Amino acid sequence: SQQGEEDPQALSIQEGENATMNCSYKTSINNLQWYRQNSGRGLVHLILIRSNEREKHSGRLRVTLDTSKKSSSLLITASRAADTASYFCATALGSSNTGKLIFGQGTTLQVKP
Amino acid sequence: SQTIHQWPATLVQPVGSPLSLECTVEGTSNPNLYWYRQAAGRGLQLLFYSVGIGQISSEVPQNLSASRPQDRQFILSSKKLLLSDSGFYLCAFKGGTAGYNEQFFGPGTRLTVL
Repeated sequence: SQQGEEDPQALSIQEGENATMNCSYKTSINNLQWYRQNSGRGLVHLILIRSNEREKHSGRLRVTLDTSKKSSSLLITASRAADTASYFCATALGSSNTGKLIFGQGTTLQVKP
Repeated sequence: SQTIHQWPATLVQPVGSPLSLECTVEGTSNPNLYWYRQAAGRGLQLLFYSVGIGQISSEVPQNLSASRPQDRQFILSSKKLLLSDSGFYLCAFKGGTAGYNEQFFGPGTRLTVL
């Protein structure tokens, strides 16, 4: 079964608005990461939040992690048309030796100019 | 700087034909290497990972195999392709200097089996 489930599956907003995507997972994690994928391209790492962290910022990105609810959210503020992409959460389980990540199904974000 | 290359970018193959996709990494040594498959509109499924030369772990039973003949080379193969092997294949690495668990992805190969 999937470790990460994302909500919503698709999101359409106007440029300048904020976009919020949520991710839920099932088992204890070491860290949680968010990735971005432009259509037909590889994934790009956005931000990593460790299990002992609650919030992290990077530019217009804000990530929260609630380990008691096994959930995370990604907020993109003041969205731009260039933010149009699919966004995936990925959870890292166990030790860093293997570095295995379990990816969610993703949220497709469309930002209209 | 660290870079990752995959080729070919697109591939159309008949059912029953062999497959060889190659991935190479530059700018890091002894990386962990990963092969993923992504179905249209879906998330990534981890197929194989390798923590060193000649060390391959398979995550799901399938028609594919992987090999790591050199430290920074990862190959995905099949002897006979099935229709269900169609998809977008992504190679990724996690290096010693790349941070804890962060992965860097190649551009991907779009495989269509007809």
